Amino acid sequence: QQQVRQSPQSLTVWEGETAILNCSYEDSTFDYFPWYRLFPGESPALLIAIRPVSNKKEDGRFTIFFNKREKKLSLHITDSQPGDSATYFCAASGNTGNYKYVFGAGTRLKVIA
Amino acid sequence: AQTIHQWPVAEIKAVGSPLSLGCTIKGKSSPNLYWYWQATGGTLQQLFYSITVGQVESVVQLNLSASRPKDDQFILSTEKLLLSHSGFYLCAWSHWGVSYEQYFGPGTRLTVL
Repeated sequence: QQQVRQSPQSLTVWEGETAILNCSYEDSTFDYFPWYRLFPGESPALLIAIRPVSNKKEDGRFTIFFNKREKKLSLHITDSQPGDSATYFCAASGNTGNYKYVFGAGTRLKVIA
Repeated sequence: AQTIHQWPVAEIKAVGSPLSLGCTIKGKSSPNLYWYWQATGGTLQQLFYSITVGQVESVVQLNLSASRPKDDQFILSTEKLLLSHSGFYLCAWSHWGVSYEQYFGPGTRLTVL
């Protein structure tokens, strides 16, 4: 079964620190890796995404680092804010025409002021 | 702008009773549509996807079925609920032809007693 694994399960950082959330996958046919953020009581919202043609994708304080050879990626949140406290899901999707989407178990981030 | 609605917002149902959940997207023609299930505190599990009216593909078997009677409507149903069906059901859409960016609806909270 296609799997996407995330670590750690939960993470606590101080305000201003960089939070690092990890993700790994098994299926080399995956070619799109989005990160979704989920606040309690809300539905997941697309945060940032990357494709294997790039090894880095940056959007403000959020950066994805991608290692295709090791099938690993990580989400770095710099200058973490209490408002970043949420659950972050890594997901993977296959080639064009493949509509299956696999989510990791999520990392629950808590940012302490 | 596209809007996605799900109904009902929440349901409390008895084991063995039937279920029908709905999803409608407005402002987008021929979207791909998806159903996801999230157990309490768990990850998002893709259940079904549909790329056109009348065509639905199953991703996992959870004794549920889905239908797409209209271009903008996706229905999730079962004739007999199980306790394990409890959780959060999310509908999502993406642009026709690609599954990459998916946008989620507000979800339906289902409690089976």
